[in-house]
Amino acid sequence: NAGVTQTPKFQVLKTGQSMTLQCAQDMNHEYMSWYRQDPGMGLRLIHYSVGAGITDQGEVPNGYNVSRSTTEDFPLRLLSAAPSQTSVYFCASRPPGARYGYTFGSGTRLTVV
Amino acid sequence: AQSVTQLGSHVSVSEGALVLLRCNYSSSVPPYLFWYVQYPNQGLQLLLKYTTGATLVKGINGFEAEFKKSETSFHLTKPSAHMSDAAEYFCAVSDHLTSGSARQLTFGSGTQLTVLP
Repeated sequence: NAGVTQTPKFQVLKTGQSMTLQCAQDMNHEYMSWYRQDPGMGLRLIHYSVGAGITDQGEVPNGYNVSRSTTEDFPLRLLSAAPSQTSVYFCASRPPGARYGYTFGSGTRLTVV
Repeated sequence: AQSVTQLGSHVSVSEGALVLLRCNYSSSVPPYLFWYVQYPNQGLQLLLKYTTGATLVKGINGFEAEFKKSETSFHLTKPSAHMSDAAEYFCAVSDHLTSGSARQLTFGSGTQLTVLP
């Protein structure tokens, strides 16, 4: 049981480039979320999904797109990378029912130069 | 809107001493509260949670937390610190971002715990 798997673990982009951060979970969780972690700011919600075909914006959605075509996968797309998007990105999932805590992936460290 | 305040971005304790990490929250609904731990270069691991019922909750690695509604607090404690407890700790509240939306986690800014030999 792998849990939540994120790829790649590290990435360096040039300003203006696009890329997709991959996230997959094998726990059949309906809810999935993307967070970014910046020093002194905790984790901030970018986008989330409550099931296949359903996504919504979180606290800091600008510059990011998501889609959810399957229960297992929830990719995060950076359309035109900016230095302000340098961060550590975490994907997480949980079953329906907010009393369950989220299970987190190990993160993707992204640097935009 | 929900929010979480963690008092003290850095806390240092001696090995064997009491650990106390403070968390205060605001929530528009009865809160679900969580503590997560993050070891260097790793993801977040759930330590413990409060949803309903007993207000003193026990978690992994000897940690516990008490939900105090009147004080809007959910402080994390451990009677005796161990070197392996050195990590960053995050408090989070689960609340609705907008009316009718699913509950999502809002995190505090984190507390880095250092354990001194």
